[in-house]
Amino acid sequence: EAQVTQNPRYLITVTGKKLTVTCSQNMNHEYMSWYRQDPGLGLRQIYYSMNVEVTDKGDVPEGYKVSRKEKRNFPLILESPSPNQTSLYFCASLSGTSGSRSYNEQFFGPGTRLTVL
Amino acid sequence: AQSVSQHNHHVILSEAASLELGCNYSYGGTVNLFWYVQYPGQHLQLLLKYFSGDPLVKGIKGFEAEFIKSKFSFNLRKPSVQWSDTAEYFCAVNGHINTDKLIFGTGTRLQVFP
Repeated sequence: EAQVTQNPRYLITVTGKKLTVTCSQNMNHEYMSWYRQDPGLGLRQIYYSMNVEVTDKGDVPEGYKVSRKEKRNFPLILESPSPNQTSLYFCASLSGTSGSRSYNEQFFGPGTRLTVL
Repeated sequence: AQSVSQHNHHVILSEAASLELGCNYSYGGTVNLFWYVQYPGQHLQLLLKYFSGDPLVKGIKGFEAEFIKSKFSFNLRKPSVQWSDTAEYFCAVNGHINTDKLIFGTGTRLQVFP
């Protein structure tokens, strides 16, 4: 089954304790992206990756890092989480090559609800 | 900057009522338009999309949307809602610089009561 998986689904942590949220897709998609969803703000892009070893900042990258060492995985790293990073996080992947994939559907993971105390 | 506005933040309907959710975007060029739905506790799923051609687009579960270029709008409609349509609905457009990026509206929460 084609899918995007995220782990963990729920996480409660404390300020400053480094954490990683994993994201994996089994569709061989080149493009992957991380969003955060906050009430009244919709979804905002944190980082994206157009291919292995190619990553770039989205709209709200501060406090986050990503890596793309292999095509299927795109982990989101919070080196020193703060309470304002309490949010619902979604990973997404997109099929196709540059120039054509904007016509395609983004596939979203199930979400990770993060609480930073 | 490109943006998407959803003016209805919370809509409450009874079953069988008709639904129309507003979506307006700000960008003068060619855009691709999407509606995504998020059922409680689930991930986002594509309802429908518009790229070109017939401005009336039909999606899954009886939803449709009409692209009106002169109004920069892409409103979502359903003639008769069901309790199972209770969800959050997001309108989105492609970014014109990073065309793979989706720019989302703030979402509309729909509650349908039996």
